[in-house]
Amino acid sequence: ETGVTQSPTHLIKTRGQQVTLRCSSQSGHNTVSWYQQALGQGPQFIFQYYREEENGRGNFPPRFSGLQFPNYSSELNVNALELDDSALYLCASSWGSFTDTQYFGPGTRLTVL
Amino acid sequence: KQEVTQIPAALSVPEGENLVLNCSFTDSAIYNLQWFRQDPGKGLTSLLLIQSSQREQTSGRLNASLDKSSGRSTLYIAASQPGDSATYLCAVIMIYNQGGKLIFGQGTELSVKP
Repeated sequence: ETGVTQSPTHLIKTRGQQVTLRCSSQSGHNTVSWYQQALGQGPQFIFQYYREEENGRGNFPPRFSGLQFPNYSSELNVNALELDDSALYLCASSWGSFTDTQYFGPGTRLTVL
Repeated sequence: KQEVTQIPAALSVPEGENLVLNCSFTDSAIYNLQWFRQDPGKGLTSLLLIQSSQREQTSGRLNASLDKSSGRSTLYIAASQPGDSATYLCAVIMIYNQGGKLIFGQGTELSVKP
């Protein structure tokens, strides 16, 4: 048990729709990152938040956006879904700095039809 | 650009065997290195974190080493068990913008046969 939860577990959307994925971290985990994992690949960094401010973003278009809330929960929003957005979306959190051990949630499996 | 490579991509061993998983990275300016386990369709479980100043870390039957200068890390699993079957991922932690990020290899899929 990592203490990091994600919802929903699975989600099916159609191309062009919008989706919001949620993550709940342990109390005190100030850093949260989101990753996209395509089938058979390692996770790819989307972005990171530290104390509700974005402090790093990977090579993902602006239609991927996020929020972090004071209660240690966070969201990943994806607009104008494309077929290639089908993947496992993982959030990871850590106590303080990103250099601490990263604890991952179970992921949300998104399928775009 | 940092690239992380894991060899082999897949490995099948009989129960009880000792084994080594390899991870290499192209840029030695890493902050830390972390090994994870991933069961099919599941999230990642952290196994070991090696600080950049450390050479190895041990947890139970697992031992991970780090050689920054050569850009290599190994994960040693002693006396393998069927329950060890999973995909093992290594990730380097890089400074990025005002924070940092994990850069993953593609993983080694391990199967331990009874």
